[in-house]
Amino acid sequence: GDSVTQMEGPVTLSEEAFLTINCTYTATGYPSLFWYVQYPGEGLQLLLKATKADDKGSNKGFEATYRKETTSFHLEKGSVQVSDSAVYFCALNYGGSQGNLIFGKGTKLSVKP
Amino acid sequence: EAGVTQSPTHLIKTRGQQVTLRCSPISGHTSVYWYQQALGLGLQFLLWYDEGEERNRGNFPPRFSGRQFPNYSSELNVNALELEDSALYLCASRRGLTDTQYFGPGTRLTVL
Repeated sequence: GDSVTQMEGPVTLSEEAFLTINCTYTATGYPSLFWYVQYPGEGLQLLLKATKADDKGSNKGFEATYRKETTSFHLEKGSVQVSDSAVYFCALNYGGSQGNLIFGKGTKLSVKP
Repeated sequence: EAGVTQSPTHLIKTRGQQVTLRCSPISGHTSVYWYQQALGLGLQFLLWYDEGEERNRGNFPPRFSGRQFPNYSSELNVNALELEDSALYLCASRRGLTDTQYFGPGTRLTVL
């Protein structure tokens, strides 16, 4: 079955450091890929998405590129801020009649000033 | 445009009780999904409702059930609560057959 694997956390960085959170997936078809972010005590917010191979999703300085050849969708940001401290979830979904999101286990990011 | 709303925010129940959680989707969205986020277990799919019908359910026992109303809002019911039902319950909605789901703030359920 389909699955998503994320790098284990927690990840602790200093402000202005470069961020990479690895995400790989196993899929029987051609899903859309997502990054969601969960700030402390809140629900999930859509951070970015990509719908097909070589698409790049971007938002708020975060980027991720849909790599079919490596089945990856790594999240990157050039300079993190304290306000980026949150849990990040990678997920896949086929849309249409397939329905539900399949999530990775989440990676907790802490950014220190 | 208002986002997905959920009520209540927090809930405390005891073992064996029953609970109902509520979700209102974004206007124009017809599908509602329920997910459970239990400590250490990540996000697990519970139920999917579309156009008033249950379309799919995850690997949860039948005491987890729900329904969707004509205005597309939804309820999640959990009977015979167990300690391990303590979790954040998240509702999400999507428009038609698109691939993107938008989440509400969640309901935190604590079972004592």
